[in-house]
Amino acid sequence: RKEVEQDPGPFNVPEGATVAFNCTYSNSASQSFFWYRQDCRKEPKLLMSVYSSGNEDGRFTAQLNRASQYISLLIRDSKLSDSATYLCVVNHNAGNMLTFGGGTRLMVKP
Amino acid sequence: DTAVSQTPKYLVTQMGNDKSIKCEQNLGHDTMYWYKQDSKKFLKIMFSYNNKELIINETVPNRFSPKSPDKAHLNLHINSLELGDSAVYFCASSQESGVWETQYFGPGTRLLVL
Repeated sequence: RKEVEQDPGPFNVPEGATVAFNCTYSNSASQSFFWYRQDCRKEPKLLMSVYSSGNEDGRFTAQLNRASQYISLLIRDSKLSDSATYLCVVNHNAGNMLTFGGGTRLMVKP
Repeated sequence: DTAVSQTPKYLVTQMGNDKSIKCEQNLGHDTMYWYKQDSKKFLKIMFSYNNKELIINETVPNRFSPKSPDKAHLNLHINSLELGDSAVYFCASSQESGVWETQYFGPGTRLLVL
């Protein structure tokens, strides 16, 4: 079983749609949680950190359920520019060594 | 004024060769990392390094070695390259090594071993 699992997609949605991604992680000792975004042939960039209390940043909302070891990302009012791969990331090691999921690909269409 | 830079951007080489990838960050960060992203797009940590300790992912072959001439640089040396080493290698840095630190990634180096 992979340490961080995501549905690879692709999720094809029209502009303006709301889309949700889920992620599960296997290590209950995981200490911190993130969503990163990676555009095609580019480097990953932090989208948002995911705190136990949840986190909202504009159209993006992230939730964490430690009991179920489950992380979610909700994108409202999708834009064409949201098309990318969304990487679920956890940290449970010393040295801040991040563990990445395989990513969920989102394609927003006109 | 790139924050994290890597050279070269592309690297094509033969099996058995030894090569290096350079990474520099101008953010004043204390911790740097190397990641490998394979053909299936899985991104895996290879090393975490600050001036106090080097942490190595146990799955990384000892043909790979990081070298840090100073706090702003973490180069990756690869000996006896193999076909399976073909991948995109990303360097990253963070202010410190705390668990909530944001990591900033370089643009990647695309390595192809023939």
